[in-house]
Amino acid sequence: GAGVSQSPRYKVAKRGQDVALRCDPISGHVSLFWYQQALGQGPEFLTYFQNEAQLDKSGLPSDRFFAERPEGSVSTLKIQRTQQEDSAVYLCASSLGTGWEKLFFGSGTQLSVL
Amino acid sequence: GENVEQHPSTLSVQEGDSAVIKCTYSDSASNYFPWYKQELGKRPQLIIDIRSNVGEKKDQRIAVTLNKTAKHFSLHITETQPEDSAVYFCAASVWGSQGNLIFGKGTKLSVKP
Repeated sequence: GAGVSQSPRYKVAKRGQDVALRCDPISGHVSLFWYQQALGQGPEFLTYFQNEAQLDKSGLPSDRFFAERPEGSVSTLKIQRTQQEDSAVYLCASSLGTGWEKLFFGSGTQLSVL
Repeated sequence: GENVEQHPSTLSVQEGDSAVIKCTYSDSASNYFPWYKQELGKRPQLIIDIRSNVGEKKDQRIAVTLNKTAKHFSLHITETQPEDSAVYFCAASVWGSQGNLIFGKGTKLSVKP
């Protein structure tokens, strides 16, 4: 596609529900990143994939958060037993190379946990 | 780990004036410093980046300067226009796949016509 695509654009969940957020990176991009952006804050790193390998998951806030990229393209961020503090915009980004240069971001999924 | 501080948090300028946003970083190993612009409700977009082997980089009305000794870098926007109004984020990382890209908290720039 022309850019990084994320779905759904908005997600409302009741506390305790599981959610799955999808990211379609730019075709051919090796690296894929997930960030969490709270209102009025900068993006905070969650996890990083190089192709299908998850090289860094140090930013995942708890074991309720899980990410995968099984075939090295589409990625899914799953949050189990959602809590109110999980409410944020979840941004996905991809880059052509293996590092942090020139990230292309998606429009994000705004998650609201009630 | 890396920590990036950004200031000011808000900046208001008149159209045509210059705007300067400053960031400091803590990890002396960081060598890649991008700037992202995020308009309200939209995705962050890369506007300029610099690696530590250069001290300054320009792209039309935008420039970034880097002082590795002091561990700070700045974004300069000249001849500001209303469409420059957005939140600007600085970030720092180690070039390559080490560590991760750490963002500042952002500066909301308002350009008054």
